[in-house]
Amino acid sequence: EAQVTQNPRYLITVTGKKLTVTCSQNMNHEYMSWYRQDPGLGLRQIYYSMNVEVTDKGDVPEGYKVSRKEKRNFPLILESPSPNQTSLYFCASSARTFYNEQFFGPGTRLTVL
Amino acid sequence: AQSVTQLDSQVPVFEEAPVELRCNYSSSVSVYLFWYVQYPNQGLQLLLKYLSGSTLVKGINGFEAEFNKSQTSFHLRKPSVHISDTAEYFCAVSANSGGSNYKLTFGKGTLLTVNP
Repeated sequence: EAQVTQNPRYLITVTGKKLTVTCSQNMNHEYMSWYRQDPGLGLRQIYYSMNVEVTDKGDVPEGYKVSRKEKRNFPLILESPSPNQTSLYFCASSARTFYNEQFFGPGTRLTVL
Repeated sequence: AQSVTQLDSQVPVFEEAPVELRCNYSSSVSVYLFWYVQYPNQGLQLLLKYLSGSTLVKGINGFEAEFNKSQTSFHLRKPSVHISDTAEYFCAVSANSGGSNYKLTFGKGTLLTVNP
C-alpha cells in the first residue's frame, strides 16, 4: 500500500530534550516536506526537500532541522524543543513537482512541557 | 510570494443543503490550486486540483471547484452535503514559477459542519 508513515504518532516531552520525528514514504517520491498545523493558522511549511541531499527552508524553519540522506526518509529534528513547538506535524511527499498530488502522513502530535 | 485567504473559518449547514467554501489567492505569477480535506484525527487528502485547461474542476465525493482568474478565486462547491462531509477543508496554492514549484501555501482552513 502506497503510504507516508510517521513515528511517533504522539509525543510528550520536556523543554530542551532533543527529539526526532521520522517520516518514510514507499512511493519513490523525490519531493518531501514537513508542515506544522496550529489552530487558526492552517498548515505552515517548515522544511522541504527536492531530492536526496537537497533541502530548503519553508515558512517557519526556526528551531528545526532536517536531513535527506535516503530518498524514502525525511526526519524532522528538534534539537532543543520549546513549548511554542507544541503542534501537530505532518510529513508529505509527492512525485517531482506540485503537478502531482501531495500524500500526507497521519500526523504526529507533539507536546513540549 | 503567494498567499491564500479562506473567507470563512466555519460553515455550518444542514444535510442535503448545498455548500460553497470560499478561497481567494494572491500571486504575481500563474498558479496551481488545490483543495484538501482533513477528516477528524486524520491526515490531509486531496479533493481536487486545478493545473490548467477547463476552469471547472471535479473532484472526489461530489465536490467541484471553479477557477476564476479575474477574481483570483477558487471556490469549492457541493450541491448536496452529507453528514460524512463534516471535516476541515484547506485551499492551497503553488506558484508556477519554474524551479520554485515546490512551495505549497495553505489557507487557514474552513471547518464544515453538516447537521442532521
